[in-house]
Amino acid sequence: EVQLVESGGGVVQPGGSLRLSCAASGFTFGGYWMTWVRQVPGKGLEWVANMTPDGSQTYYVDSVKGRFIISRDNAKNSLYLQMNSLRAEDTAVYYCARHANLFIDGYNYVFDYWGQGTLVTVSS
Amino acid sequence: QSALTQPPSASGSPGQSVTISCTGTSSDVGGYNYVSWYQQHPGKAPKLIISEVIKRPSGVPDRFSGSKSGNTASLTVSGLQAEDEADYYCCSYAGSNSFVFGIGTKVTVL
Repeated sequence: EVQLVESGGGVVQPGGSLRLSCAASGFTFGGYWMTWVRQVPGKGLEWVANMTPDGSQTYYVDSVKGRFIISRDNAKNSLYLQMNSLRAEDTAVYYCARHANLFIDGYNYVFDYWGQGTLVTVSS
Repeated sequence: QSALTQPPSASGSPGQSVTISCTGTSSDVGGYNYVSWYQQHPGKAPKLIISEVIKRPSGVPDRFSGSKSGNTASLTVSGLQAEDEADYYCCSYAGSNSFVFGIGTKVTVL
């Protein structure tokens, strides 16, 4: 069974840093793109960042470029999001999600499994 | 990227159908056949219900169907059931390994 479990959320002051983790199980983690998606409470979803299976390439939404860093450790089946220079508008539930693999799952460019999310609150 | 446009709400009685639109641009919805739809119940994580405009993942009831014309994609829920009451989000590939979501539609079963 595919499972994604996020951790590391909490309350942080503006300008501060936080590192989120996502522990994956039930699939060959190193064979999949992974992504972070966030959701302001009561609002919609926003794609934040994603990363290739080998970690060599990363992509970000413009609003977090230069502040957030996505990374992974395939030996530990883990995905991370280092968030720096945090702003009030970064307050959200952060989900990690798996990109489906066309050759294994039969479809592409979709997020087929999601974690339960971890809440990040940026407030003084 | 700007969020895709969805109606904020939609409703229908049990057994009826409801269709939700998702409008983007030629740089996202219109440019790729990579529109997906997600269902989210309160306090829960999103769940994939439609991929690549029309594909339904295993386990998703065939009451859910997708389509696309130009820059607008649509999700139709036929034979509405009480458990279909949820928020629905579209998502499109937007090139350069980036994605954009819709603003979400709250579906109410009357």
